[in-house]
Amino acid sequence: EAQVTQNPRYLITVTGKKLTVTCSQNMNHEYMSWYRQDPGLGLRQIYYSMNVEVTDKGDVPEGYKVSRKEKRNFPLILESPSPNQTSLYFCASSDRAVDEQFFGPGTRLTVL
Amino acid sequence: SQQGEEDPQALSIQEGENATMNCSYKTSINNLQWYRQNSGRGLVHLILIRSNEREKHSGRLRVTLDTSKKSSSLLITASRAADTASYFCATHTGGFKTIFGAGTRLFVKA
Repeated sequence: EAQVTQNPRYLITVTGKKLTVTCSQNMNHEYMSWYRQDPGLGLRQIYYSMNVEVTDKGDVPEGYKVSRKEKRNFPLILESPSPNQTSLYFCASSDRAVDEQFFGPGTRLTVL
Repeated sequence: SQQGEEDPQALSIQEGENATMNCSYKTSINNLQWYRQNSGRGLVHLILIRSNEREKHSGRLRVTLDTSKKSSSLLITASRAADTASYFCATHTGGFKTIFGAGTRLFVKA
């Protein structure tokens, strides 16, 4: 089954404790992206990747890092999480940036 | 920056009625897409309309695009309770970024 998986689905952590949210897709898509969703603000793009080893900033990249060492995986790294990063995070993938995107189930992160 | 802005923010209708949602954007686009999200779950792609298209249909969905007004509308005909969800437009300006609007929450009463 074609899908985008994210782990963990739920995470409660404390300020400053490094964490990684994994994202994997099995559709051989070149384009992958991370979004955060906050009430009233819709989805905002954090980082995207056009292909292996090629990443770039979206609209809200501060406090986040990403890497794309393999085509299927695109982890999101929070080196020193802060409470304002409490949010619902989505990973998505597509053949190209302009094509329809397939979304993962989301990761609800709470930073205390 | 928010490229797409949906209108209205929330919409409540009776089952069987039509629902219309609008999306406005600020810069020239390559294409515009509509997505649906059920209560905190991942988004599901509904329909894509290219900048050189004016109207597109998919089942009970009808999307229009007016590039002169920089706006799009999504019409759901004969709505059902299962259509209750949030609907988002997303635009691509030719680069690699995707910009989503804040969404319209649709509630269909049975």
